[in-house]
Amino acid sequence: EAGVTQFPSHSVIEKGQTVTLRCDPISGHDNLYWYRRVMGKEIKFLLHFVKESKQDESGMPNNRFLAERTGGTYSTLKVQPAELEDSGVYFCASSQPGAGGYEQYFGPGTRLTVT
Amino acid sequence: QKEVEQNSGPLSVPEGAIASLNCTYSDRGSQSFFWYRQYSGKSPELIMSIYSNGDKEDGRFTAQLNKASQYVSLLIRDSQPSDSATYLCAVIGVGGSTLGRLYFGRGTQLTVWP
Repeated sequence: EAGVTQFPSHSVIEKGQTVTLRCDPISGHDNLYWYRRVMGKEIKFLLHFVKESKQDESGMPNNRFLAERTGGTYSTLKVQPAELEDSGVYFCASSQPGAGGYEQYFGPGTRLTVT
Repeated sequence: QKEVEQNSGPLSVPEGAIASLNCTYSDRGSQSFFWYRQYSGKSPELIMSIYSNGDKEDGRFTAQLNKASQYVSLLIRDSQPSDSATYLCAVIGVGGSTLGRLYFGRGTQLTVWP
């Protein structure tokens, strides 16, 4: 079974530019989460999709961040315009409630560097 | 704001020893707890989940949960150099729209030396 995949693995952009991150969850997982780790800090929640609906987006830092999950499959996270403080590693995770409870499986992350 | 606190480490143990990793959490209503292992530059890998008070064993790993003390730990027996990684404690959010989100500690870096 393929795991969670993310693209790109690394992105370097200038302040003010736009970047779009993509996440493909484990096939059949309805729940999709975005997290971010800023250097020196803990991994923090950004938002949670259940299928194509946003269940909880209270972790999104501001309106420069836009997440979508059209069709309830893959998700994109767009940052526009990017600021220096947006640098960090963006993780995507997916889960399927059931016998495993809320066990979430993480992708490899996208390392975003804003210069 | 839910908080998850871990010993920042680093923790260094010799090969074959028991490594003990600790975590406390602030939300008394929390019900689900997880340990992730993260190698440098890699994704967090789920290694243990625990939902009930007591011990849960899986191979060389034992998770211990004490809800009254709001404390969860991970013991690694017969530590191997390949266990060297950062270990992340995570707690699930409870209630309302936060149900499902994970709250992470900053992680404890473990080094197992031969």
